[in-house]
Amino acid sequence: QQQVKQSPQSLIVQKGGISIINCAYENTAFDYFPWYQQFPGKGPALLIAIRPDVSEKKEGRFTISFNKSAKQFSLHIMDSQPGDSATYFCAAPRVGTALIFGKGTTLSVSS
Amino acid sequence: NAGVMQNPRHLVRRRGQEARLRCSPMKGHSHVYWYRQLPEEGLKFMVYLQKENIIDESGMPKERFSAEFPKEGPSILRIQQVVRGDSAAYFCASSPGINSGGRPYEQYFGPGTRLTVT
Repeated sequence: QQQVKQSPQSLIVQKGGISIINCAYENTAFDYFPWYQQFPGKGPALLIAIRPDVSEKKEGRFTISFNKSAKQFSLHIMDSQPGDSATYFCAAPRVGTALIFGKGTTLSVSS
Repeated sequence: NAGVMQNPRHLVRRRGQEARLRCSPMKGHSHVYWYRQLPEEGLKFMVYLQKENIIDESGMPKERFSAEFPKEGPSILRIQQVVRGDSAAYFCASSPGINSGGRPYEQYFGPGTRLTVT
């Protein structure tokens, strides 16, 4: 069964610290790996995405690291801020391009 | 507002009633996806549509659920004879499609419809 496994389930980070969320996938046919950010009561918002031909992509304080051989990718949030407190989902496209989502990580950044 | 629009934002139905959820994709997007999110869980794919076509409905329950994306107007997710287990947030996402010149895999989500079945 095609799955995306995400960890940790929840994360508490001090303001200014680095938040790291990990995902592992099974299907080597996946070729696009986005991260979504969701605030309570809102829809998921596309945060950053990577294709498997690169090992890292950085946009502002957000970085995706991709390890193709290990079939893992991770989201790093540098200088974490209270406004980053949200639920983060990794995803990968299944056949037909519908996304398979991880179960989410609830991030709390304490001030 | 150029984003994905969904209505209603909140919907309350009694058991046995019908629920209709509407989704208008972003301007220029021809692909629509419906996902369901249960409390404390991730998003589960339900159905993928293009104009007048269902491309993939493998995530849709076999009974009571149907979806359409007509040539004109919004996409509709229809749930007949709702039960309490249908209570969830339903999200619609849209993408430009492979032949549109956009990034086909980038899906943009609407604000969701929160369905409560009493």
